[in-house]
Amino acid sequence: DAGVTQSPTHLIKTRGQQVTLRCSPISGHKSVSWYQQVLGQGPQFIFQYYEKEERGRGNFPDRFSARQFPNYSSELNVNALLLGDSALYLCASSFEIGKNIQYFGAGTRLSVL
Amino acid sequence: SQQGEEDPQALSIQEGENATMNCSYKTSINNLQWYRQNSGRGLVHLILIRSNEREKHSGRLRVTLDTSKKSSSLLITASRAADTASYFCATSQTITGANSKLTFGKGITLSVRP
Repeated sequence: DAGVTQSPTHLIKTRGQQVTLRCSPISGHKSVSWYQQVLGQGPQFIFQYYEKEERGRGNFPDRFSARQFPNYSSELNVNALLLGDSALYLCASSFEIGKNIQYFGAGTRLSVL
Repeated sequence: SQQGEEDPQALSIQEGENATMNCSYKTSINNLQWYRQNSGRGLVHLILIRSNEREKHSGRLRVTLDTSKKSSSLLITASRAADTASYFCATSQTITGANSKLTFGKGITLSVRP
């Protein structure tokens, strides 16, 4: 069975641009969460979606937005990119929302120049 | 903000030795999970311990949880060079209702020398 897949693997953008990252959860998983991991730090929670609805949001500005589609895949959008947005963006899926194990994808490495 | 704080920040051991990593947290939790990350890529789930459990085993892994001290430890026995990675503890907290999120520490870098 395929795990969580993320695309693209790497991305280079310049300040002020917009970016869209994509995530396909494990088949049968209904919840998707997004995390940002800056070099040398642990992942930080950005969003959680379940059944196409936002169920949680971390301490990130409104430049960050996301959505979940009927097939449970998800997109993370970041507008007006800043140098500080350079990070590894991780997507995780779980069967249900709540106290389940989250399974992570390999991430998208975003570099903002 | 980081909920979990791992200790030590870095650990270097010889192959075959045991590795012990500690994690402390601040608020009440639903469960605590340990993840491994190789070379800045995706996280691999290792083990989950619920707030009403005190100890759990999985292969060469042993995790303990002390909710009164808000701390956990991960023991890797008979370490191998392939165990070289960054290890993170993550606590699961309720956001609202049934919704929960994971909060990670900064991680521990484990190096296992052949």
